[in-house]
Amino acid sequence: SAVISQKPSRDICQRGTSLTIQCQVDSQVTMMFWYRQQPGQSLTLIATANQGSEATYESGFVIDKFPISRPNLTFSTLTVSNMSPEDSSIYLCSVDTVLNTEAFFGQGTRLTVV
Amino acid sequence: QKEVEQNSGPLSVPEGAIASLNCTYSDRGSQSFFWYRQYSGKSPELIMSIYSNGDKEDGRFTAQLNKASQYVSLLIRDSQPSDSATYLCAVIKTGANNLFFGTGTRLTVIP
Repeated sequence: SAVISQKPSRDICQRGTSLTIQCQVDSQVTMMFWYRQQPGQSLTLIATANQGSEATYESGFVIDKFPISRPNLTFSTLTVSNMSPEDSSIYLCSVDTVLNTEAFFGQGTRLTVV
Repeated sequence: QKEVEQNSGPLSVPEGAIASLNCTYSDRGSQSFFWYRQYSGKSPELIMSIYSNGDKEDGRFTAQLNKASQYVSLLIRDSQPSDSATYLCAVIKTGANNLFFGTGTRLTVIP
């Protein structure tokens, strides 16, 4: 299984500011996914990040609010822009692999916006 | 209709009993099914994957898949207090690469 390092693990941010979350994988992966888990809820996909192309966003999520970078096959960032308290969630990076479709998660970033 | 549905629970079982967790999905063409365990404040941890009809066993865990009924379940034998967590069912739909998650079932194993 892939080893995924995500940072920061948690942060408390002021409303109106932005936070960039980093996701590093120990092997090359085709796809990287960014999920959000709001308090007491399940995981919702924000976007799929492919190397060398624009990220694909799910309904309800837009690039201006959640810009994503994918500069190479082992790294991606998600930025939460112009934050409001409603953005308080756990943000999770996950990857599949070339060999199979099993998805592994980073340890998550617990974001609190005050 | 949600893509993946689970009973939110909570489900309580005594230590040593069998815990049975259930999940249904809407996309008949789905081929990949997963069970994740999530402890409070932690990220989901993959515990089982299943791709074919029937049972798949791994230690105390057995995943069961019935594609005709669009139903997947997870059995935990000899439940331990350390099994207390939220269990998430996830599916990869036809033509998709990402996971669709159910809302999770909270399991409590009572010592």
